[in-house]
Amino acid sequence: DGGITQSPKYLFRKEGQNVTLSCEQNLNHDAMYWYRQDPGQGLRLIYYSQIVNDFQKGDIAEGYSVSREKKESFPLTVTSAQKNPTAFYLCASSGVLADTQYFGPGTRLTVL
Amino acid sequence: GIQVEQSPPDLILQEGANSTLRCNFSDSVNNLQWFHQNPWGQLINLFYIPSGTKQNGRLSATTVATERYSLLYISSSQTTDSGVYFCAVGSGNTPLVFGKGTRLSVIA
Repeated sequence: DGGITQSPKYLFRKEGQNVTLSCEQNLNHDAMYWYRQDPGQGLRLIYYSQIVNDFQKGDIAEGYSVSREKKESFPLTVTSAQKNPTAFYLCASSGVLADTQYFGPGTRLTVL
Repeated sequence: GIQVEQSPPDLILQEGANSTLRCNFSDSVNNLQWFHQNPWGQLINLFYIPSGTKQNGRLSATTVATERYSLLYISSSQTTDSGVYFCAVGSGNTPLVFGKGTRLSVIA
């Protein structure tokens, strides 16, 4: 089955710890994205990548880091510098930047 | 950057009713997509529609790019249509910008 997987579904961490969220796609897409969604809000772009070994900051990149070492994988690290990390994190991919976007099921991160 | 405004913010419908959701955007775009987010958080792409009209079952969408708006029509609504509907737009080689969404509740 083709699609996007994110793990874990729920994640709890103590304040001050870094945490890495996984995103994998087998759609052979070049472009991948990370979004943050807060309750009752729209999606805000954290980082995106159009090709392996390259990525760009989105609107709210501070306190986050990413890597794109493989076409299929785009992990997101939420660092201790992120002031309000508790949120719903969504990963997406598309063939190229302007193509139809497909989303993973999301990871709900709670920082205690 | 581009601004995206969706209306209404909230909508409550009786099952079987029809509805129209609107998306206004502030600049010319070459990419416009409609998404549905179900109550469990999963987003599904409904339409890729930078211009023109498309239909898929009970859903249809129209984008009038010259007037900078798009409409999503839902006919004969069902409880499974509940959730949040997002419009997202992009121009040139820029990533999508999402609106704040329309939260739809369909009551049996």
